Amino acid sequence: QKEVEQNSGPLSVPEGAIASLNCTYSDRGSQSFFWYRQYSGKSPELIMFIYSNGDKEDGRFTAQLNKASQYVSLLIRDSQPSDSATYLCAVNARTNAGKSTFGDGTTLTVKP
Amino acid sequence: KAGVTQTPRYLIKTRGQQVTLSCSPISGHRSVSWYQQTPGQGLQFLFEYFSETQRNKGNFPGRFSGRQFSNSRSEMNVSTLELGDSALYLCASSATGTGGNYGYTFGSGTRLTVV
Repeated sequence: QKEVEQNSGPLSVPEGAIASLNCTYSDRGSQSFFWYRQYSGKSPELIMFIYSNGDKEDGRFTAQLNKASQYVSLLIRDSQPSDSATYLCAVNARTNAGKSTFGDGTTLTVKP
Repeated sequence: KAGVTQTPRYLIKTRGQQVTLSCSPISGHRSVSWYQQTPGQGLQFLFEYFSETQRNKGNFPGRFSGRQFSNSRSEMNVSTLELGDSALYLCASSATGTGGNYGYTFGSGTRLTVV
């Protein structure tokens, strides 16, 4: 079992729709959770981080964390073609703050 | 505020050679992590340096090494290059605090091709 698993994708949504990206992790001691976006040929960029159970909103993005079920998700509202990218979920263990373990990513395409 | 600077951007090396990659983190960030990214394996953690000390290490062979200087700049070295070392090497800078890692800022990466 991989430490961090994401929907294999690719995921395609129409412009204006909600895109839902999911991630599960195996280490119950995980403390910090991150979503990165990576455009083709570019390096990843941080979108959001979340530490506590519940929802965290930032503009069109909402991260949701459920530690009991060991999953974290990212919702993108009013999806735009510019949101087309690979989204990477990353997790840090409580005892290892300096190391992030990444999922393989989900590629999202937003069609005009 | 300047971002994370990685040099060089591209490298072509021959099997058996060694290579050194450089990373300058965001000013004030003391944590520098290195990752290898390949299409088949995704982002794989190499190591993390914090205040000139290696704090974490991934599951890579000893041919992969690194160091961090007093100004937080970091270098990684790969000796005896193999074809499988061809990858994008990413440096990530972070402001690690008591709450943990607040997320990385990545450099543009060094694309290493071993022939």
